[in-house]
Amino acid sequence: AQSVTQLGSHVSVSEGALVLLRCNYSSSVPPYLFWYVQYPNQGLQLLLKYTSAATLVKGINGFEAEFKKSETSFHLTKPSAHMSDAAEYFCAVSEHTFGNEKLTFGTGTRLTIIP
Amino acid sequence: EAGVAQSPRYKIIEKRQSVAFWCNPISGHATLYWYQQILGQGPKLLIQFQNNGVVDDSQLPKDRFSAERLKGVDSTLKIQPAKLEDSAVYLCASRTGLAGGPDEQYFGPGTRLTVT
Repeated sequence: AQSVTQLGSHVSVSEGALVLLRCNYSSSVPPYLFWYVQYPNQGLQLLLKYTSAATLVKGINGFEAEFKKSETSFHLTKPSAHMSDAAEYFCAVSEHTFGNEKLTFGTGTRLTIIP
Repeated sequence: EAGVAQSPRYKIIEKRQSVAFWCNPISGHATLYWYQQILGQGPKLLIQFQNNGVVDDSQLPKDRFSAERLKGVDSTLKIQPAKLEDSAVYLCASRTGLAGGPDEQYFGPGTRLTVT
């Protein structure tokens, strides 16, 4: 069975500082991995996805993530935080059996930006 | 391109009442998902449709929850009777469902249900 663990339910960083949100996965097959962002009272929006191509994945809004198989990790980073990055972030894993692609989400990390 | 539409956005009901949520996916998307997101948790898949057929409903509490996707387009999720623990945001998502890989799931804004 697939699962993801997000370390830290709340992360606070100063504006302009590095953002690092941690995600570790467990999967019985090579996984597809995703990061989603959720702003208050809105649905989830895809930030980036790893689908077995390049291990360093670049997404929207300056975010990127690196797939490390040896560490079973897919941490999300952004070099310089902006106030607009304040939101909840979810890591998700998919075991890609065609016709049954489904996401398993982590519990989320709430990112707060300190002015 | 219009996104995934959901209604209502908010609903407050008393326990033991019934409630229904509606989802209109992105045009042409064959796959539709309903998720339950309890406060402080990640979304949990309730049911997945491919066109108008159910692919996975293993986590749907079938004694009280039901869902349908008539004609392979709109979908309705119903709870009858509701319990306090059903208070959550119910998210609908859709994807194209074509072969070739895990293309993106597009999420609607959700329906926030409060059961009192």
